[in-house]
Amino acid sequence: DVKVTQSSRYLVKRTGEKVFLECVQDMDHENMFWYRQDPGLGLRLIYFSYDVKMKEKGDIPEGYSVSREKKERFSLILESASTNQTSMYLCASSPLLGGATNEKLFFGSGTQLSVL
Amino acid sequence: AQSVTQLDSHVSVSEGTPVLLRCNYSSSYSPSLFWYVQHPNKGLQLLLKYTSAATLVKGINGFEAEFKKSETSFHLTKPSAHMSDAAEYFCVVSLNTGGFKTIFGAGTRLFVKA
Repeated sequence: DVKVTQSSRYLVKRTGEKVFLECVQDMDHENMFWYRQDPGLGLRLIYFSYDVKMKEKGDIPEGYSVSREKKERFSLILESASTNQTSMYLCASSPLLGGATNEKLFFGSGTQLSVL
Repeated sequence: AQSVTQLDSHVSVSEGTPVLLRCNYSSSYSPSLFWYVQHPNKGLQLLLKYTSAATLVKGINGFEAEFKKSETSFHLTKPSAHMSDAAEYFCVVSLNTGGFKTIFGAGTRLFVKA
């Protein structure tokens, strides 16, 4: 089975801190994604990556950046955390099969971030 | 514009009775459609996927969904609810438009009463 591992289940940070959320997948998937999940809003895409060192903005990239130095690892960075970034963050990966980009997503268990 | 609407934010059923979770979509392209389930403190797991083959799609744990193009719907059903089905369910549209576009519905929380 594909495993997507997020380094922290719960995280509490202070306003203004720099925050790193780490995600590792073990199935050699090309695509990796960061979503945030808020009640009543579903999942919203922050950033995604098709390949090492490649990144694309999603629907809500403001206040976030990402890093993908190795294929298996995709990091989400909050440069200066704010209270409105309190949320559940979900990492996902998917294979790039035949060039299609709409294959199923494999999710990590999520990181609940609280910014105080 | 593309969108996904889950018509109910909460659904409550009794154990052993049918489940219906409703989803409507709007898309200018031929979409792929998914249902994912999220149990408490877990990530999302794929239930089933539609990709323009059979319009009735069978998934895991006895769930199925029917694609109705004329109604732009992709409702999720199960004949008999089990306590373990209590979770949040997300309807998802994915578009292969030369780039990546996946849109999640807001979610429907399913409660199952004993």
